[in-house]
Amino acid sequence: SQQGEEDPQALSIQEGENATMNCSYKTSINNLQWYRQNSGRGLVHLILIRSNEREKHSGRLRVTLDTSKKSSSLLITASRAADTASYFCATAGKAAGNKLTFGGGTRVLVKP
Amino acid sequence: KAGVTQTPRYLIKTRGQQVTLSCSPISGHRSVSWYQQTPGQGLQFLFEYFSETQRNKGNFPGRFSGRQFSNSRSEMNVSTLELGDSALYLCASSEGLAGGHGELFFGEGSRLTVL
Repeated sequence: SQQGEEDPQALSIQEGENATMNCSYKTSINNLQWYRQNSGRGLVHLILIRSNEREKHSGRLRVTLDTSKKSSSLLITASRAADTASYFCATAGKAAGNKLTFGGGTRVLVKP
Repeated sequence: KAGVTQTPRYLIKTRGQQVTLSCSPISGHRSVSWYQQTPGQGLQFLFEYFSETQRNKGNFPGRFSGRQFSNSRSEMNVSTLELGDSALYLCASSEGLAGGHGELFFGEGSRLTVL
C-alpha cells in the first residue's frame, strides 16, 4: 500500500499559470520529498521538507507541510511547457519501516 | 560524477524465464533501493541494500531477490516470470539509508516486458 496519495491525479494548465498539487499521508514521518518524472524515465528529486519545517522554497517551487493534517502541497509558479511531467510525493518514517514510499503521482500537462 | 546506471534499459522475456537487472550507484553512495513501477500499482518499494546488507524489504513474493556487492553495485533477480511482472524497474542510490534525510538519485530504469 502507498503511504502518500496525491490530489488531483491529473492537472492541465496554460503556460504561465500556477500548478498546485497536494499529498496526504497516513502515519508520522521524518520528512517528505517531492520528485518529478518525465514520461517513462527516472525520477528527479525536487525538494525535501523535514517534519519540523512548515514551508520551503526552491526556485519556482514552494512546498508546505502540515503535520497536524498529515498533508503537503507543492506549488509550481509561472509554469512552463517543460514542467509537463508526473509529480510524486514520498515519505519516510519509523511507522513505515523507514523505507521511502511514494504516492500515486499527479500528472501535470502545461499547454504552451 | 556519473549518475546511476541501470542495465539493460529494455528487455523482453517470456513467462517462466528469469531476469537479472543491474544497477551501478553514484560513486560513494552506499545505499541502493529498487522500485517497481506499473500503471496500475504505481511505484512499489522492492528492497533496499546498504553496505551489502538488505536493510528493508517490500511486499513482494520470494521470486524477487537482490544483492549488493562490495563496490555498492546491486543486482535484482526475478525468477519464474509472470505477465504481471512487466514493469519499469527503477534503481536509486543515496549516501545514507533512504529513510534518512537525504535524496534519492534514480537511474533511467529497466523496462521489462514479459510475453
